[in-house]
Amino acid sequence: DAMVIQNPRYQVTQFGKPVTLSCSQTLNHNVMYWYQQKSSQAPKLLFHYYDKDFNNEADTPDNFQSRRPNTSFCFLDIRSPGLGDTAMYLCATSRGAGADLNYGYTFGSGTRLTVV
Amino acid sequence: DAKTTQPPSMDCAEGRAANLPCNHSTISGNEYVYWYRQIHSQGPQYIIHGLKNNETNEMASLIITEDRKSSTLILPHATLRDTAVYYCIVSNNQGGKLIFGQGTELSVKP
Repeated sequence: DAMVIQNPRYQVTQFGKPVTLSCSQTLNHNVMYWYQQKSSQAPKLLFHYYDKDFNNEADTPDNFQSRRPNTSFCFLDIRSPGLGDTAMYLCATSRGAGADLNYGYTFGSGTRLTVV
Repeated sequence: DAKTTQPPSMDCAEGRAANLPCNHSTISGNEYVYWYRQIHSQGPQYIIHGLKNNETNEMASLIITEDRKSSTLILPHATLRDTAVYYCIVSNNQGGKLIFGQGTELSVKP
């Protein structure tokens, strides 16, 4: 089945130690998104790629970076994780902008990151 | 993107219809209403969307008022597996992004 896969499902990292979360998709969607979801809060959009074009949200900390080496993969890099970065990180894809948005986003199951 | 207002929580008896309201009084003419839900520890799942007409699919029905300032998501026969947080989002489909509000936590009880 076509899907969005996030690895790992759970990740524990030390304060200040760089960490990378990965997302892959078999849907051949043009757009890939990263959301951060802290406990009991709604998902918060960090940034997205439309093909190779990177779009950062205004309030996303510089500590968060992303790479998209090809259509299928997208990575979230946290350069120096702090305790406040403990959260679920969700990857999503969509076919594109315009009317394609009406096909909906497809979300992965998320990576639960704990910073200790 | 326009903001939405939803009740923080609702209960529903299993087998009954669940009616989840959403206010979006500042919605623009080109903005759609989208509904997603998030079951505990999973990623959000698309349910339904609409512009101005009522919509129905295999999961739910969406009723949008004539002035488009509010809408209601209807789950016709709620089951325990429908227990989740339901998000109402308005966004244009010309490059708009999904920005989540706080949602409604629906608890379906036996």
